[in-house]
Amino acid sequence: DTAVSQTPKYLVTQMGNDKSIKCEQNLGHDTMYWYKQDSKKFLKIMFSYNNKELIINETVPNRFSPKSPDKAHLNLHINSLELGDSAVYFCASSPGTIHEQYFGPGTRLTVT
Amino acid sequence: QKEVEQNSGPLSVPEGAIASLNCTYSDRGSQSFFWYRQYSGKSPELIMFIYSNGDKEDGRFTAQLNKASQYVSLLIRDSQPSDSATYLCAVRRGGSYIPTFGRGTSLIVHP
Repeated sequence: DTAVSQTPKYLVTQMGNDKSIKCEQNLGHDTMYWYKQDSKKFLKIMFSYNNKELIINETVPNRFSPKSPDKAHLNLHINSLELGDSAVYFCASSPGTIHEQYFGPGTRLTVT
Repeated sequence: QKEVEQNSGPLSVPEGAIASLNCTYSDRGSQSFFWYRQYSGKSPELIMFIYSNGDKEDGRFTAQLNKASQYVSLLIRDSQPSDSATYLCAVRRGGSYIPTFGRGTSLIVHP
């Protein structure tokens, strides 16, 4: 069974469109995350959710909105997509504040 | 500003050698330390974590932590071409939900 899963794996869309990426974890973890990894490979934290509550919201554009329907799911919705949004987006989960993270396979978003 | 610094590399070592990867961090409140391996086109995967000063060994991997000097290192013994990847260092402050990642070191193990 996949621990952290994301859909879709690839997403190609045009500027101005709205898209969503879904994430699910079956590890029973309390905290989930969204990361953006750009072409320079730097892993940048975007959001963190703990028990369905947003606990950290890094300085990302408000076009990005995380939504967590329950503890096992954290979706990422992006409005008005821009060329600079092209990147790989990783979902991750963690059991606690000092513990390791488990990453999903990533979603490669290409905005044309 | 909490920072985690890694040499971007690439670090090139011959097969069978010891690869030494280093990471320094600025936040003295850091409590837990992680090494992730990321193959090209794949997601980061945890290979080691360490919480206490000293060495921690797991197979061919040894993590070393020195909190006084604020560095953590990863040694890979008997390096294999399959170890070629980017290695990410991550640090978590006690009680923080947010880890800080370094930019990663690219390791190339050549036959």
